[in-house]
Amino acid sequence: QVQLQESGPGLVKPSETLSLTCFVSGGSISGYYWNWVRQPPGKGLEYIGYIYYSGSTNSNPSLKSRVSISLDTSKNLFSLRLSSVTAADTAVYYCARAPPPLTDFGMDVWGQGTTVTVSS
Amino acid sequence: SYELTQPLSVSVALGQTARIPCGGNNIGSKVVHWYQQKPGQAPVLVIYRDSKRPSGIPERFSGSNSGNTATLTISRAQAGDEADYYCQVWDSITVLFGGGTKLTVL
Repeated sequence: QVQLQESGPGLVKPSETLSLTCFVSGGSISGYYWNWVRQPPGKGLEYIGYIYYSGSTNSNPSLKSRVSISLDTSKNLFSLRLSSVTAADTAVYYCARAPPPLTDFGMDVWGQGTTVTVSS
Repeated sequence: SYELTQPLSVSVALGQTARIPCGGNNIGSKVVHWYQQKPGQAPVLVIYRDSKRPSGIPERFSGSNSGNTATLTISRAQAGDEADYYCQVWDSITVLFGGGTKLTVL
């Protein structure tokens, strides 16, 4: 079955750019929405954004100016870049799959999550 | 902007029925999904499209959505159901999560 695995630096300095990758195994990137969700320590889930397999993207208005999501279909992975990070961006970052339409099916496969700490 | 409201905690006696509400303005007109998250683990989709169960989710989990409240119902609650539960909708421009409810099984 499809599995997702996040990877990236666990520590990022303030004002720098956080970069994470989600590798998709056991299935194709085609036909789905690919999402990023984060969870600050002890808090709830916060949606970051998605990229559709066609390349269209959308992100949370609260993060939109700092978020970039991209796709590499040849490598079966998608990536997140979050610029100008602060301590408030410290969180567990999850990648997740959603079948289309995005409204109807929810996020049915999740990665295990990766912890990112923003600190100098 | 649209908001989803969940109680911080809900308690249920072992074997009884737990109901976890998710409030929102006319949420009955939106499609609601529910996730279960156990400590240290990724969320798991337990209900999609208001009341559908993904493969592998026990029939004890059910959902409803009407008016201003969507509800996740867990029948015959088990110790293994202790977790945080999040409701989620698509709000025209982005995905929204409720604040989460901690379910305690007594």
